[in-house]
Formats: sequence, C-alpha cells, structure tokens
Amino acid sequence: DGGITQSPKYLFRKEGQNVTLSCEQNLNHDAMYWYRQDPGQGLRLIYYSQIVNDFQKGDIAEGYSVSREKKESFPLTVTSAQKNPTAFYLCASARLAGDNEQFFGPGTRLTVL
Amino acid sequence: AQSVAQPEDQVNVAEGNPLTVKCTYSVSGNPYLFWYVQYPNRGLQFLLKYITGDNLVKGSYGFEAEFNKSQTSFHLKKPSALVSDSALYFCAVRDMLKGTGRRALTFGSGTRLQVQP
Repeated sequence: DGGITQSPKYLFRKEGQNVTLSCEQNLNHDAMYWYRQDPGQGLRLIYYSQIVNDFQKGDIAEGYSVSREKKESFPLTVTSAQKNPTAFYLCASARLAGDNEQFFGPGTRLTVL
Repeated sequence: AQSVAQPEDQVNVAEGNPLTVKCTYSVSGNPYLFWYVQYPNRGLQFLLKYITGDNLVKGSYGFEAEFNKSQTSFHLKKPSALVSDSALYFCAVRDMLKGTGRRALTFGSGTRLQVQP
C-alpha cells in the first residue's frame, strides 16, 4: 500500500446521497485508476486518468464521476445514479512509460444503508 | 484486446505442499504479465512480473512464476505453502484500453488460495 492513500477506510451512505472517495499518491505517477470489487470477485475499471485535467471512462463508469485537478489526487464521486454502490473501491497509480505496473491503495469499503 | 484467464475460482492445498495457481493469457506481441495478492479488506500487493528474460521469475514471499510462451501460461508457484499464503491471487496482463491507444493492466477474475494446516 505504500505511496497511495485512500480515505475513508469505511463509508456509509444513505440512499440518494452522493459521496466522494479520496485517493492521493506521492509516487509522482502520471496514471491513476479506480476499480470496483464486489465480494469474491475481480476488479472492474471505473475511470482512469493518464494526465492532469484528463480522464476516461472505464468499463462501468455509469453513476460515477471523477476529477484530476492535481497530479497526486484522483477523487471518485459515487452519485445517487449508481444503483448498487455497495462495494470495495480500489485506487491505483502507475508510470505511463515502461511496464505499467500498478500500485494500489488500501481500499475504501462503501456500504449503502 | 489482450485477455487473461484464471480457470480456478479456488485452490486448496495442505501446508507444506507445493502450490500452483494457474493463469493463461492472450496477447498480440510480447506479453507483460503480473501477479498480485490481496488479503481480506486490503489493496492488491505486487508479487512478481515477467517482462523479458528468464522464463522463471522469482518474486516476494517465496513465490515464483513460470512463463511458457508455447502454452501461453504464467502459472504462480511456491514449493511449500504456508497457512499465511491464504489469500486472493490475481493475474494481470498489460493491455490497450478500448479506443484510446493507452496502456493499462487487465486483471483476471482471481483465484482464492486456501492453505489448510
């Protein structure tokens, strides 16, 4: 988990609320990623960004939004339009050059009450 | 697009026995392959990677992986399993993200390893 922090570790949301998950990295990586993981399952890419002020939709972007105003920060907002937001959310970063090895944060567990 | 498959949802092995977690891949060009491990409620931790060179790659915690180009496989191995190795293991391949020309990792669905004492 070194170099990437996510907060909070646990988050509870009421139906109809937007919530924002924080992701910060001090690895000087250009690329950052958000994944969703459901119990016992693999990772699904929500959004990614490879440069400041630019981001692209992944495979399951509906109901989510992101921003990339600073190189080290890539917050994810889970909006009320996301129909089933309860999941474990993982942030990762990588260098653009080379082998693209990704470094992961510790994750945020979001539960909708 | 590149893809990676982990054919086993779960692998059970007794402590002290050798373990293998399987991964096969489909890529165009030379593959960049990775193994990650995830403990409960934690992020993914890097174990090892194959970029080029020796087909046997050594990684963290005594794990190794064998790259086999003819069988398009990259199986994770350990000579003697520990109970503490019980976790979720992911294989990944460097891929081009759809319609962007940009590279990222595509992950397999994961294999749960259970090591019994």
